[in-house]
Amino acid sequence: QSALTQPASVSGSPGQSITISCTGTTSDVGSYYLVSWYQQHPGKAPKLIIYEVKKRPSGVSNRFSGSKSGNTASLRITGLQADDEADYYCSSYAGSKILLFGRGTKVTVL
Amino acid sequence: QITLTESGPTLVKPTETLTLSCTFSGFSLTTDGVGVGWIRQPPGKALECLALIYWDDDKRYIPYLESRLTITKDTSKNLVVLTMTDMDPADTATYYCAHTLGVTQFGAYWGPGTLVTVSS
Repeated sequence: QSALTQPASVSGSPGQSITISCTGTTSDVGSYYLVSWYQQHPGKAPKLIIYEVKKRPSGVSNRFSGSKSGNTASLRITGLQADDEADYYCSSYAGSKILLFGRGTKVTVL
Repeated sequence: QITLTESGPTLVKPTETLTLSCTFSGFSLTTDGVGVGWIRQPPGKALECLALIYWDDDKRYIPYLESRLTITKDTSKNLVVLTMTDMDPADTATYYCAHTLGVTQFGAYWGPGTLVTVSS
């Protein structure tokens, strides 16, 4: 079970929208509606922002949205803000009930 | 209010065994579907889920480290313990514990993490 594939970095200007991809296989992302996304600011614990592909925990901005097609899940951030600058990780269960994480994407707000 | 807190040594020597504790409040590990996981993050690197333990004592480990890991729970003390044997400098990382609700919602709550350095 290898880590999920994410782009190393994505950038955008304030107010713009960006999308981060998360590619797995038919054994994980492709087989389960169990993709989550986490935001992590430097020196802090990760924060859950999306679970079950597109659900948002209470209190998470609706500027964050998730989707999935085949073996690839995506996180879209609209109306980019300075505080969105962080590392973002996807995760998926892989059938064995162990969790796989992506390698992380650094989002830079220009 | 759910909280989790990791504790353990900040420095271990190569070949030693690491024992980390996760003390939690606001939920019970006897409730159907509830679990606790251990995740680590080497400096500047990605998250990695090491082990999970569920309310029914089901345990899951990351395959390539399974021989070195043991996760246990003490429901009376609201405590989950992770042991990792034969520590190596490559195991230097921040170790987090996190709450999970079945397989659908992992990580709605995390501890602050504890940095463990492996060095002689």
